[in-house]
Amino acid sequence: GPKVLQIPSHQIIDMGQMVTLNCDPVSNHLYFYWYKQILGQQMEFLVNFYNGKVMEKSKLFKDQFSVERPDGSYFTLKIQPTALEDSAVYFCASSFSGAETLYFGSGTRLTVL
Amino acid sequence: GDQVEQSPSALSLHEGTGSALRCNFTTTMRAVQWFQQNSRGSLINLFYLASGTKENGRLKSTFNSKESYSTLHIRDAQLEDSGTYFCAAEAWGYGSSGNKLIFGIGTLLSVKP
Repeated sequence: GPKVLQIPSHQIIDMGQMVTLNCDPVSNHLYFYWYKQILGQQMEFLVNFYNGKVMEKSKLFKDQFSVERPDGSYFTLKIQPTALEDSAVYFCASSFSGAETLYFGSGTRLTVL
Repeated sequence: GDQVEQSPSALSLHEGTGSALRCNFTTTMRAVQWFQQNSRGSLINLFYLASGTKENGRLKSTFNSKESYSTLHIRDAQLEDSGTYFCAAEAWGYGSSGNKLIFGIGTLLSVKP
């Protein structure tokens, strides 16, 4: 099936530093999402993005978080500065329309020390 | 409160047997997706339903939006079916702003020889 690629699969970073998580969504998809999962627990919605804009964000999407997809390249999640509680697995997802199957990447495990 | 209530939280099956997972929704949902999260953490799409029943191999899923629940039936369980199964539902009202999935807590399925 369609593949969403996430780079890197693991990232270890010191608290306070900046990190960028990269997502290569399915090629013809128009809607992009980030989700956060802590320790194999429930997946929590962070943000969705369409037509170059954030459409909706949750309360987990702190001011230190930002997303962009410059010129159709990677869809990125940037955290600046990072905090210990940002340690989690971050999943990117994409869909063609806003009302059909979401396809998820395999996640980036972020560890903040 | 939680909008997606998933049960059971854990399930143990012997190979060749079957069971059902269930998600109840506390608000009307537009569609539901089911995922298997494997040992590497990847989310595998199983089903997307806006209504009715779908079947794929040994898996069958039903979504009853009127009665606010969805089920996932597994028959003839195999060792490779082990993993965590998540339901995730879309609430009404998102439309062109993109579907935001609300996840259940997951069911940890263990299939034993």
